[in-house]
Amino acid sequence: AQSVTQPDIHITVSEGASLELRCNYSYGATPYLFWYVQSPGQGLQLLLKYFSGDTLVQGIKGFEAEFKRSQSSFNLRKPSVHWSDAAEYFCAVGPFLGGNKLTFGTGTQLKVEL
Amino acid sequence: DTGVSQNPRHKITKRGQNVTFRCDPISEHNRLYWYRQTLGQGPEFLTYFQNEAQLEKSRLLSDRFSAERPKGSFSTLEIQRTEQGDSAMYLCASSSAPGLGYNEQFFGPGTRLTVL
Repeated sequence: AQSVTQPDIHITVSEGASLELRCNYSYGATPYLFWYVQSPGQGLQLLLKYFSGDTLVQGIKGFEAEFKRSQSSFNLRKPSVHWSDAAEYFCAVGPFLGGNKLTFGTGTQLKVEL
Repeated sequence: DTGVSQNPRHKITKRGQNVTFRCDPISEHNRLYWYRQTLGQGPEFLTYFQNEAQLEKSRLLSDRFSAERPKGSFSTLEIQRTEQGDSAMYLCASSSAPGLGYNEQFFGPGTRLTVL
């Protein structure tokens, strides 16, 4: 069965500092990998996705993520965090064929100190 | 606004009552998904439709839960005889049907259910 682990429940960074959110997945085949962001009262918004090809993917809002097959990881990074980035971030995995249900991690709550 | 909409946004009910939520997907999307998100957890898949056909249901979807998409447009999720454990955010998402590959799921703002 597929699963996603986000080991950090809460992370606090100072505005302007760099950010890395960790994600490890377990999946029996080539997965689709995603990062979503959820702000209070808002729906989940897709930041970026990885299907194949270049293992460093760029997303919206200045975020990027790197797929490392050997480590089963898909960590999210941002070089300089803005106060508006404070939100909850979810890593998710989906099947390679069919594109049906997503399996989400438990999320990482990001707090940004001014 | 052409995004996914959900109504109501909040619902408070007493244990044992029935509740129904509605989801209106993006109009050209033929796939519709329901997820449940409890406090401190990520969303968990419940079920999905392609047009009016319900193609997959999670084991989380007990017999007290029923979802419909009668004309392949909006969908309803009904919970009968609610229990306190049903308190959660219920999320709806829609996408176009993928050929080979994956099409992005667009999420609505959710319906927050509180069972007293």
